[in-house]
Amino acid sequence: GEDVEQSLFLSVREGDSSVINCTYTDSSSTYLYWYKQEPGAGLQLLTYIFSNMDMKQDQRLTVLLNKKDKHLSLRIADTQTGDSAIYFCAEIPYGNNRLAFGKGNQVVVIP
Amino acid sequence: DTGVSQDPRHKITKRGQNVTFRCDPISEHNRLYWYRQTLGQGPEFLTYFQNEAQLEKSRLLSDRFSAERPKGSFSTLEIQRTEQGDSAMYLCASSLSRSSGNTIYFGEGSWLTVV
Repeated sequence: GEDVEQSLFLSVREGDSSVINCTYTDSSSTYLYWYKQEPGAGLQLLTYIFSNMDMKQDQRLTVLLNKKDKHLSLRIADTQTGDSAIYFCAEIPYGNNRLAFGKGNQVVVIP
Repeated sequence: DTGVSQDPRHKITKRGQNVTFRCDPISEHNRLYWYRQTLGQGPEFLTYFQNEAQLEKSRLLSDRFSAERPKGSFSTLEIQRTEQGDSAMYLCASSLSRSSGNTIYFGEGSWLTVV
C-alpha cells in the first residue's frame, strides 16, 4: 500500500526544536522525502534519506528512519518563524516512479 | 537555474469552460509530473511523462483531463468542461531520472477556482 500517515498540527516556540512524525506502509520504498509548503506556495524539497540509512543531518534538519517500524521523523533545531509551514513526508513505493504523500503536518512557530 | 515554472498561477473559470495550464520543467529534466492538491490534503498524483511519453495516468485523471508533453520539454494540462470539484491547486514537478535520490522538484502551482 501507499498510505502515508502524518499527525496534523504542531505548535512550537521560536528557538525550540520541532519534531514531525510520519508512518509509511511500503517497506520497499527506496527513498523517503520531506517537503515544506508555505501558504499558497508549491512544495519545497527539504531533504531525503535513502532507505539503508538510519539518520541524515543537514544543517538544522535531522531525519531519522526506523525501517522496522516504518517510521520517519524530521527534527528542526532552533525553529524559526520562517519554519511555519505544512510539512509533508513522501515516499516512492517500490515499482513506482512517483511520490505518494501524507496529509501533512502544520507547524506553527510562536515568536 | 529557473526551477519549475507554471502558468497561470491563478485561474477563475465558469463551470463548463475549458482551462489549460502550462508547466516548464527544470532544464534537462526528463521526467515531468502533474499532481493535484485540495485544501487540507497532500498532493495526489495525476500523471507523469518521461521525455514525451506519458507513462502513467492515475484513475483520478478522468476523460475530461488530458496532458501532453509534445517535445519532451514543457507540458500542458487541459481540463475540459470544468466542474466545481475540479477546484484545486495543480502542481507540476520534474526530475532527472539518473539523479541520486530521484529528487523531484515542484513548481509554485496553478490555482483553479471553478465558479
